[in-house]
Amino acid sequence: NAGVTQTPKFQVLKTGQSMTLQCAQDMNHEYMSWYRQDPGMGLRLIHYSVGAGITDQGEVPNGYNVSRSTTEDFPLRLLSAAPSQTSVYFCASGGGARNTEAFFGQGTRLTVV
Amino acid sequence: GENVEQHPSTLSVQEGDSAVIKCTYSDSASNYFPWYKQELGKGPQLIIDIRSNVGEKKDQRIAVTLNKTAKHFSLHITETQPEDSAVYFCATPGTGNQFYFGTGTSLTVIP
Repeated sequence: NAGVTQTPKFQVLKTGQSMTLQCAQDMNHEYMSWYRQDPGMGLRLIHYSVGAGITDQGEVPNGYNVSRSTTEDFPLRLLSAAPSQTSVYFCASGGGARNTEAFFGQGTRLTVV
Repeated sequence: GENVEQHPSTLSVQEGDSAVIKCTYSDSASNYFPWYKQELGKGPQLIIDIRSNVGEKKDQRIAVTLNKTAKHFSLHITETQPEDSAVYFCATPGTGNQFYFGTGTSLTVIP
């Protein structure tokens, strides 16, 4: 049982480049979300999805896009990377309004130079 | 949206002592209060949660208490061990489907 698989683990981008962070879950959860973690700021919600075909913005959505074509996959796209997007990104499956446990991926450490 | 404040940001305790981390929240409609533990290089993991119909919940050495009137909830770790060293996050749902996390507490247990 893989749980939440998040790739890549590390990434360095140049300013202006684009990339996609992948997230897949095998727990059949409707709710999935993306967070960024910065020192002293905890986990901040970027985007979330309550099911296939449905996505919505969180606290800090600017510069990021998401899509949810299947229940299993919830990729996060950086359209034009900026140094302010240097952070650790976590995908989570479960939780949300159902007030149940959220399962997190291992994280992606992204550096934008 | 919800405003979750977590204190302290860092905490050092001697092995065997107790540790307490406190969170306050603003939305009186919040009804679910989990605590997550994040070890170095890993994603957060749920360690205990409480719902608003109870005031306290225990699981071996960890407990969570909830005061809905004052809008705060706390994590208590007794008989701390070196493996308890980690970053701990409180969380609570806001309106709609969003989930809000505190800013984290870095706990160090000194052997």
